[in-house]
Amino acid sequence: DAGVIQSPRHEVTEMGQEVTLRCKPISGHNSLFWYRQTMMRGLELLIYFNNNVPIDDSGMPEDRFSAKMPNASFSTLKIQPSEPRDSAVYFCASSLRGGGSGNTIYFGEGSWLTVV
Amino acid sequence: DQQVKQNSPSLSVQEGRISILNCDYTNSMFDYFLWYKKYPAEGPTFLISISSIKDKNEDGRFTVFLNKSAKHLSLHIVPSQPGDSAVYFCAAVLQGAQKLVFGQGTRLTINP
Repeated sequence: DAGVIQSPRHEVTEMGQEVTLRCKPISGHNSLFWYRQTMMRGLELLIYFNNNVPIDDSGMPEDRFSAKMPNASFSTLKIQPSEPRDSAVYFCASSLRGGGSGNTIYFGEGSWLTVV
Repeated sequence: DQQVKQNSPSLSVQEGRISILNCDYTNSMFDYFLWYKKYPAEGPTFLISISSIKDKNEDGRFTVFLNKSAKHLSLHIVPSQPGDSAVYFCAAVLQGAQKLVFGQGTRLTINP
């Protein structure tokens, strides 16, 4: 069975450029999460969707960040304009019923973003 | 405000010995806790979990202990094996919520 699929795996971009990260959740999962991993703060939740609807975007750092889920099998995280401090690993994850108590969430392999 | 804290960034243990990873939390409304394991260049994978109504959960070499009064949980791995070398993340779920709050992670190295 395919897991969560993320692209690109690695992205190096110049400051000010737009970055789009993509995610395909596990088929049948109805919750999708975007996390960011940094050394200082570990894994931070940016936003999550239930049935394609954004439920909690309180973790999105600034207006430069936006996320969409146009259908059950695809989501994007966009950064425009990108800044060097956005350099991190961005993980997409999905779960069957929201990732709450007892519901395991499954992570993709991550997108390594470097903004120079 | 880090609600879930792993104060040890790294831990080194000899193969065959016990590894103990610690995690503290501040919110008493967390009612479910999980440990995830992460290898380099891979996403985190679920390892073991515990509900707040329990104080211990065991799965093979892995045992998680929960001390609610101290707002502390720990992961014990015994015996430790070289394949256990990874970053371990502690996570917590708020009662009625749907998202996991993660700690900063602890890098465990098992030495032969």
